[in-house]
Amino acid sequence: KNEVEQSPQNLTAQEGEFITINCSYSVGISALHWLQQHPGGGIVSLFMLSSGKKKHGRLIATINIQEKHSSLHITASHPRDSAVYICAVGTSYGKLTFGQGTILTVHP
Amino acid sequence: EPEVTQTPSHQVTQMGQEVILRCVPISNHLYFYWYRQILGQKVEFLVSFYNNEISEKSEIFDDQFSVERPDGSNFTLKIRSTKLEDSAMYFCASIARGRENGYTFGSGTRLTVV
Repeated sequence: KNEVEQSPQNLTAQEGEFITINCSYSVGISALHWLQQHPGGGIVSLFMLSSGKKKHGRLIATINIQEKHSSLHITASHPRDSAVYICAVGTSYGKLTFGQGTILTVHP
Repeated sequence: EPEVTQTPSHQVTQMGQEVILRCVPISNHLYFYWYRQILGQKVEFLVSFYNNEISEKSEIFDDQFSVERPDGSNFTLKIRSTKLEDSAMYFCASIARGRENGYTFGSGTRLTVV
């Protein structure tokens, strides 16, 4: 059974700050996903990673397969980035195992 | 951008009643999933569905739960006799064969059992 741990659980930042959210998992995987959940509850997929690094706008996701660790970075944070960020891991087409989420609040 | 559509967005039901949650996955996706999130808790896997049959299910997915793809487009989750502890947000998700772009999640159905 894969255990997925995220840190921190809560994160408060000022607009413009660089933000890092970490994710560790216990068992080898085929892919790691970073997801965003807004207060209304909907889940949006941000990244799917199996190795290396991906960038989309101000978001950067990295993964170290050997260390079973991934980070999500947000550069120049903005209040609209406020949401819950969730790490989830899985095997090919199999179920995802989710972390507990990181609640990010960015103040203007 | 293609979406996974879930209906209803919110359903309130009496304990013991049957509910059917509906999902329309993206048309060229082949793998379908139901997840649930009890308020304040992690998202949990319920069931995966491929080629018109269940490919994996969790311990939560007991005999009270069933899934169907009745007409090649809709994907439904039925709870036969709801319990108070079934109150949660239920998410449908789908993914294409090549996994390009990762999973697409629906906006969820909030089920409240009273």
